[in-house]
Amino acid sequence: AQTVTQSQPEMSVQEAETVTLSCTYDTSESDYYLFWYKQPPSRQMILVIRQEAYKQQNATENRFSVNFQKAAKSFSLKISDSQLGDAAMYFCAYRSALSVGTGNQFYFGTGTSLTVIP
Amino acid sequence: NAGVMQNPRHLVRRRGQEARLRCSPMKGHSHVYWYRQLPEEGLKFMVYLQKENIIDESGMPKERFSAEFPKEGPSILRIQQVVRGDSAAYFCASSLNGGSEQYFGPGTRLTVT
Repeated sequence: AQTVTQSQPEMSVQEAETVTLSCTYDTSESDYYLFWYKQPPSRQMILVIRQEAYKQQNATENRFSVNFQKAAKSFSLKISDSQLGDAAMYFCAYRSALSVGTGNQFYFGTGTSLTVIP
Repeated sequence: NAGVMQNPRHLVRRRGQEARLRCSPMKGHSHVYWYRQLPEEGLKFMVYLQKENIIDESGMPKERFSAEFPKEGPSILRIQQVVRGDSAAYFCASSLNGGSEQYFGPGTRLTVT
């Protein structure tokens, strides 16, 4: 089974600074998707960014970017110009690219709690 | 264009009672996934359903838990004879088809007293 590991239970960053959250995963598949989700105190799961494994180019969404290292099975999230509203739990997730049957579910890491210091 | 809806948002049950959690997928979506988030943990897959079919229930506890997605109406996650360890947030996600993007609902927070 696929596993996702987030080794940083907590991180903090000064407002306007940059922070990187780490994620590694284990899989024998060659085609899959990787995601970062943000979960604020409301508990709503908010998609931050998504990466398709077959794409070499790192995904970017405004202040959020990833460093995807397929051979190393690493998928880190960089948040630039951190804002107070970025404070939340961040979950890294893996999903197979299979289109039918089983295996479509997400596999989540245990999360990193990000604090933004004013 | 309503998103995935879950109700109730908060549910309190005494030990031994039954809990019913509902999930209405996005319009046009016929695939539903249920996940459980225990305190201080990430979401864990429980079950994947299409209309009237259970496709994958490999993450469901063997006893007391069941799920359905009828032809009409929401998907239901049912927990019989709840215990304190069932206290968690339960999320559902829906997708248009098996391989497409999943959209999460806001979750139901179950507290067992």
